[in-house]
Formats: sequence, C-alpha cells, structure tokens
Amino acid sequence: DAKTTQPPSMDCAEGRAANLPCNHSTISGNEYVYWYRQIHSQGPQYIIHGLKNNETNEMASLIITEDRKSSTLILPHATLRDTAVYYCIVDQTGANNLFFGTGTRLTVIP
Amino acid sequence: GAVVSQHPSRVICKSGTSVKIECRSLDFQATTMFWYRQFPKKSLMLMATSNEGSKATYEQGVEKDKFLINHASLTLSTLTVTSAHPEDSSFYICSARNRGGSYGYTFGSGTRLTVV
Repeated sequence: DAKTTQPPSMDCAEGRAANLPCNHSTISGNEYVYWYRQIHSQGPQYIIHGLKNNETNEMASLIITEDRKSSTLILPHATLRDTAVYYCIVDQTGANNLFFGTGTRLTVIP
Repeated sequence: GAVVSQHPSRVICKSGTSVKIECRSLDFQATTMFWYRQFPKKSLMLMATSNEGSKATYEQGVEKDKFLINHASLTLSTLTVTSAHPEDSSFYICSARNRGGSYGYTFGSGTRLTVV
C-alpha cells in the first residue's frame, strides 16, 4: 500500500518554481523517497530520489525534512511541458516493488 | 540511463482473444520486472511481480490464470491477457529495477489495450 499523501492538484505559473509537497510520516530509516512523473498516456519518468540529504539534478531538487516525515519536490522554472501527475513514493526496501499513491496533478499555466 | 522497451504501444483485440505484451530491459539485466494496470485518471495499480526463471507473484485480487506472466530471460518479461473482455481494456505498464544504476525503477512507455 502507498505510504505517502500528496495534494490532488496544484497550479503553477510558467517560469515560476513549482513546489510539490509529500507526507511520508511512517517512513522507515532505510527507505528512500522517490519522485516520478507521468505525462498523459506515457509510462512514469524518474525524476529524483533521496534518503536523508537534499538532492539536486538537472530536472529538480528534493528537500527532505530532518525527521524525514515529509519532502518537497522543486521544479525551479516550470514549463508547460512539466504539466503531469507527480508521484512521491517510498521505496519499501525488501518488498522490491513500488506502490503508487494518487499523486499530484500539476498544471503549468502560461 | 536505463531503458525499458514495451511493445506494442497500442492494441485492439476482439473479445475472447488473447493479447501478449512484451517488456524488455535494453541495457541492463532485470531479475525482477513489475506489471501495473492503470485506469483513466487513476493511479498505477501493481498487478504482479515477474521473477526470472520462477513463477510470478500476483497481488491480491489479480487472477493469475487471466494475466499470464512469463519471465524467461534476464531482459524479457511478457504479460498475456487471456480471453480478453471489454473490462480488461486499460493501460498496462511494466517496470524493471536497475540495481546497477541510480535511477531506481525504470518504466516502459505503456500499452493501451482496447477490447471490442
């Protein structure tokens, strides 16, 4: 079962930063937080993942709170092509699979 | 990065026929692959875990005789929807874990199945 909660939808103005929150209050010490996104009728695309430290790559930044009970995905300069459903997933180590929650539908507005 | 190829991308079949969907890891070996199903405007639902050289593990409520999974090699898993019915129409997605890389799970592009 999904172990994360996310707001169902968010809007963001084009060119502005999009901040997508995720709660994972029951996360275990060895579980990673993964973020994926799914553009309509495509397979999910990996964005970023982290354990404890904040992470940044060419797509986004991931901010994980010190208690690890929540995280925020930041798209620094949202474009129209970033419109998608964003999924925050806790990797259930040992279970060897991913369970998806409902995700956040991000709409980037021109 | 790791690439998973899924084929076909779209298929239309008649009720009662069977449809096979292939999932290939192109540049890495995947001892385990996963099959998901997604209805319109819904999230992905894990159907089964495909293990190379052994039987697949199905999630509760998924009929193993209806959705046959074969994982005969380290780079190929297949899902066969047998005796398809219109209610089987859905978006099917596979994924594989690239343990050697940093991308976690890589997903295929999905297969849109329509049963008429």
